[in-house]
Amino acid sequence: RKEVEQDPGPFNVPEGATVAFNCTYSNSASQSFFWYRQDCRKEPKLLMSVYSSGNEDGRFTAQLNRASQYISLLIRDSKLSDSATYLCVVTALKGGTSYGKLTFGQGTILTVHP
Amino acid sequence: GEEVAQTPKHLVRGEGQKAKLYCAPIKGHSYVFWYQQVLKNEFKFLISFQNENVFDETGMPKERFSAKCLPNSPCSLEIQATKLEDSAVYFCASSPWTGRTGELFFGEGSRLTVL
Repeated sequence: RKEVEQDPGPFNVPEGATVAFNCTYSNSASQSFFWYRQDCRKEPKLLMSVYSSGNEDGRFTAQLNRASQYISLLIRDSKLSDSATYLCVVTALKGGTSYGKLTFGQGTILTVHP
Repeated sequence: GEEVAQTPKHLVRGEGQKAKLYCAPIKGHSYVFWYQQVLKNEFKFLISFQNENVFDETGMPKERFSAKCLPNSPCSLEIQATKLEDSAVYFCASSPWTGRTGELFFGEGSRLTVL
């Protein structure tokens, strides 16, 4: 079983749609959780961190359920520019502590069309 | 510098040849990470450094892969005797500190093609 699993999609949605991505992780000791965005053939960039209380950044909402080891990302009012691969990312542990090493899910491809 | 600089952007090698990639982390960042991304977006962690010291090398195929981060020099990732399956984009990333932060700053990657 992979450490971080995502539905690879692709998700094809019209502009203005709401779309949700899910992710599960296997290491219950994982400490930090993130969504990264990767545009085609480019480097991944941090989209947002995910906190236990849930957090929102404009049209993006992230949720974390530690009991279920589940992370989600909701995108409202999709824009053409949201088309990208969304990577669910979890920090891995070394010696019981997090040190910044990231474990990536395989990514979910989103295409927003006019 | 203000961004992670990776060179070369593209590298083509025949099977069995050596490949060497370079990464200059953001100035002041003490952690450097190397990741390999093959098809289907699978990111594989290779190795990390804390300054010039290897911090975690659990992802390195040690028979053919080696890496260094020496003072006042770009970090490097070297592959001896490349194989077809080494074809991938190799991303370098740097981070200023450990702990809960997850923001790694990635370079644009070096695309290695092994023929």
